[in-house]
Amino acid sequence: AAGVIQSPRHLIKEKRETATLKCYPIPRHDTVYWYQQGPGQDPQFLISFYEKMQSDKGSIPDRFSAQQFSDYHSELNMSSLELGDSALYFCASSPRGGRADTQYFGPGTRLTVL
Amino acid sequence: ILNVEQSPQSLHVQEGDSTNFTCSFPSSNFYALHWYRWETAKSPEALFVMTLNGDEKKKGRISATLNTKEGYSYLYIKGSQPEDSATYLCAPSGSARQLTFGSGTQLTVLP
Repeated sequence: AAGVIQSPRHLIKEKRETATLKCYPIPRHDTVYWYQQGPGQDPQFLISFYEKMQSDKGSIPDRFSAQQFSDYHSELNMSSLELGDSALYFCASSPRGGRADTQYFGPGTRLTVL
Repeated sequence: ILNVEQSPQSLHVQEGDSTNFTCSFPSSNFYALHWYRWETAKSPEALFVMTLNGDEKKKGRISATLNTKEGYSYLYIKGSQPEDSATYLCAPSGSARQLTFGSGTQLTVLP
């Protein structure tokens, strides 16, 4: 069965650079969620999209932005990178965005900021 | 933001043992409780979603129960196998759709 695809899997950037993470949801899933897991921390919710509109917003820094495109893939754009942005970034998708819908997670993108 | 606690933090059991973990969460503003199994370098794998008080779900040797009134869920593994070794995460969701994860229980099954 098709799963959530994230690219790239690993990314190394310098401070103050920008990064773009991509997420391709499971086919026919219209909701995408982004989570950030810092070293030794629990995954924290960043932002979600339902039918290409932002639906919920968590602890996402102003330096980050995200959008969902017409084909339902999503991109997380991160600017002015800081050392503290080094983390594992997960994307998840669900079929309808319902509060009891299973969220299916991708393998994550590991971002390292030097 | 929901405060989620999981215990124990880590657990070592012998192959064939049965075991269980606990997830505690605030009972207010609760909508659903999700359990995930997460192996290193892999995607978290969804196990169960439960919403109703008294819900019980089962998948093979793994089962879970939910008590929404007192705010806890148990995950049980019967006859643990080495391939069950993983981190088990619980994540309640409230009025918003996002999941709030606990720190997980890291299970190691010794052959």
